[in-house]
Order: sequence, then C-alpha cells, then structure tokens
Amino acid sequence: GAGVSQSPSNKVTEKGKDVELRCDPISGHTALYWYRQSLGQGLEFLIYFQGNSAPDKSGLPSDRFSAERTGGSVSTLTIQRTQQEDSAVYLCASSVGTGTSGSQETQYFGPGTRLLVL
Amino acid sequence: DAKTTQPPSMDCAEGRAANLPCNHSTISGNEYVYWYRQIHSQGPQYIIHGLKNNETNEMASLIITEDRKSSTLILPHATLRDTAVYYCIVRGNTGFQKLVFGTGTRLLVSP
Repeated sequence: GAGVSQSPSNKVTEKGKDVELRCDPISGHTALYWYRQSLGQGLEFLIYFQGNSAPDKSGLPSDRFSAERTGGSVSTLTIQRTQQEDSAVYLCASSVGTGTSGSQETQYFGPGTRLLVL
Repeated sequence: DAKTTQPPSMDCAEGRAANLPCNHSTISGNEYVYWYRQIHSQGPQYIIHGLKNNETNEMASLIITEDRKSSTLILPHATLRDTAVYYCIVRGNTGFQKLVFGTGTRLLVSP
C-alpha cells in the first residue's frame, strides 16, 4: 500500500506567520511520530501519538508548537508565530503501534516538509 | 537509549560489498539494533533490524557479534544509489520508543 505522505513538500513563510503541516500515515498504523531535522543536524523527536492515548509531547521545543491527530489517522503539526530557527525539514513517521514486539514498531518515514522561515 | 558509535564516512566502489560498522557497547538485553539510511533530501528509509541473530533481507544483511556490543551492516553489491547517510540505532521493543539518530556514516559509492 501507499507509504506515509506529507504535505506540502515545501513551505516558505514569513517570520511571525502560522504554518500547518500535514501527515497521512500508512493505512492501519495507529502510532504516529513527528521529528524535525535542521540543516546538517540529526533528527529531533517532537511528538508521538498512539491510538486514543494522550500524546507524548515531550519533544516539542516551545509552546508555539502543537499537533493534533483527528480520527486516529491524519495529523497536523502547527507552528505559531514562526521564527527563523524553525526552518528545518519536518518528518512524520508511522508504525503499526501494537507495542508488543520490535518488528511491529518499525517506524516508516514520509518524505518530509521543508520549511523555510524568512 | 544506548548510544552508538559509527565512522563519519566511508567509501565503496560500485559493485563491491559495503561493510558499515557500528559499536553499541552499552546495549541491554531487550534492545534491538536498527539500521536506517537517508538519501539526500529524502526521509529516512528503514533497512533492517535484529536482536541477536544475523538477519538478511532484500536490501542488506546485519551481522551482530555474539556479545552484541557491535554490528555490521552489509550491502552485498553497492550501487551508486546506495550513496546515503546510514544510521545505526539501538532501541527497546516495548511501548513507545522514539528513534534517537546519531550522526551516522556517510557512505559514498563511486563508479
């Protein structure tokens, strides 16, 4: 089936504006993750959703960042009042989410959204 | 998560085997070794993972030492399209497990 999809693929915005990034996980996957990758840096975990449980927001860098997952599928990452340091590639991943074995928790990544804040 | 150590870069001739090492000396008994790669401007791609035994799939082979303190990812016949950054990650197998990516090994496959 189709992999993880993300939109838009690229986003250019002005400092201070709000942006919304969308992620469509693999069909049937109940776990969804957001990461970001700044230029020349490794991946940084942001937030994790598992089914109907409260999300793990421990990686969000500030209260300007928030994420929702509606209907247990599509997720939207929102960045309010964007700053230049928010410029990065935002990556979404999903996994089956049963939590019972390593095989079933393999995370599959989307192509990412490249965000540039001017 | 246990930390991993990888060489920053490696070169390989097209058609030859690429052997990418990873040290994970503090790995615990229930932690798996995962390998991902990231081709320029793309999202990370899952390659393979293992616990104790050697594993093989259509992409690569994973050799884990008996003491589990190190492993080697083998691309048997490297192609130019295998040029990427390869990440070795150690993580548990229950509940929520975020992936902690280090700096990886930049593999350059040349003609």
